[in-house]
Amino acid sequence: GQQLNQSPQSMFIQEGEDVSMNCTSSSIFNTWLWYKQDPGEGPVLLIALYKAGELTSNGRLTAQFGITRKDSFLNISASIPSDVGIYFCAGLDSYGQNFVFGPGTRLSVLP
Amino acid sequence: DVKVTQSSRYLVKRTGEKVFLECVQDMDHENMFWYRQDPGLGLRLIYFSYDVKMKEKGDIPEGYSVSREKKERFSLILESASTNQTSMYLCASTWLGVTGELFFGEGSRLTVL
Repeated sequence: GQQLNQSPQSMFIQEGEDVSMNCTSSSIFNTWLWYKQDPGEGPVLLIALYKAGELTSNGRLTAQFGITRKDSFLNISASIPSDVGIYFCAGLDSYGQNFVFGPGTRLSVLP
Repeated sequence: DVKVTQSSRYLVKRTGEKVFLECVQDMDHENMFWYRQDPGLGLRLIYFSYDVKMKEKGDIPEGYSVSREKKERFSLILESASTNQTSMYLCASTWLGVTGELFFGEGSRLTVL
């Protein structure tokens, strides 16, 4: 099946730094979702985006739905150690039936 | 809060054994999904269901079957487990409609020896 492109694959940052990651697709999506997954756990939904251009925040997290509907980005401000994990994006296709996932960005936060 | 609960967090089974993975959601979602997650391969859809007694094959249904007898419960069955089915299995659910918020369970880590 289709998979989204997500970058970077991994990143190491210092505590307190801001983080940015993005997700791109060759197809248009109606919904973009961002998840965080800790080792051995299920993914937890962080932010859901429904409209092109939409910018949504959840605490220190901000995500945007690209105006072309083919991309999205996630920013984390002032990172802390508990931000460590894998962040992945998901899109819901224009038929509203199929979810497509990115491979994830592995975030490490150095104290 | 939406709650998707998977019955077993960790299972160890032997080759050839029958395995049941249960998933229950408490938000009256129509849609339920089973994925497996493997390093480097990401999330792959095994089966999904849009309603009670309905099931549709996903991308990798071979070796699996599912059951949806009640709206809140979606079961994944491995009729004869094999070592290549060692994986993290994730159940998810969402409403039927265009919002598309997909909620996952905690995951079931299956090891087949």
